[in-house]
Amino acid sequence: NAGVTQTPKFQVLKTGQSMTLQCAQDMNHEYMSWYRQDPGMGLRLIHYSVGAGITDQGEVPNGYNVSRSTTEDFPLRLLSAAPSQTSVYFCASSYSWDRVTITGELFFGEGSRLTVL
Amino acid sequence: QQPVQSPQAVILREGEDAVINCSSSKALYSVHWYRQKHGEAPVFLMILLKGGEQKGHEKISASFNEKKQQSSLYLTASQLSYSGTYFCGTAAYSGAGSYQLTFGKGTKLSVIP
Repeated sequence: NAGVTQTPKFQVLKTGQSMTLQCAQDMNHEYMSWYRQDPGMGLRLIHYSVGAGITDQGEVPNGYNVSRSTTEDFPLRLLSAAPSQTSVYFCASSYSWDRVTITGELFFGEGSRLTVL
Repeated sequence: QQPVQSPQAVILREGEDAVINCSSSKALYSVHWYRQKHGEAPVFLMILLKGGEQKGHEKISASFNEKKQQSSLYLTASQLSYSGTYFCGTAAYSGAGSYQLTFGKGTKLSVIP
């Protein structure tokens, strides 16, 4: 039972470098999302998707890109890493019967800890 | 816009009760509650849907006041295992044809013997 798989678990980048955080789920969930977690700030939504070919911005989208070409995968791209993007990133997925609402629990990946120097 | 949680932190002795509150300025479709232990991913506790349906944990209850856009999580007869940070998540219409789930800043709960 893989659930939501994130890679890598740890990454160190230099300012200005780009990278992609991978997220894959095997539960056939339409809804997928990326959050970042910083001390005292809770979980903040970066981008989300309600199905293949559909993405939308969350609360803190600047500096990140996403695409959703398949139901299973939802990669998060950092275009030009900045120290302010040092954070723990969580990918999460959920069932959405209508591609609009979220009526089930969010299943979270284990997280990816990113440090930008 | 993040929902607002209160209190920010609470310390309980085993067996005591606690209430965590969550409020939003937006019209909500659903409210989610999660618990996160240090260094781990959040774990689902409960979801409350507009219209009254609830799904979730046997020993934890919650309420959802749709008119006030408020929810409360009730932890009764607390156990050491209840320690962690509790997050409420609120699903509201994004204006772009779908709902987005945003989380509050969390409530740190510590249960001591």
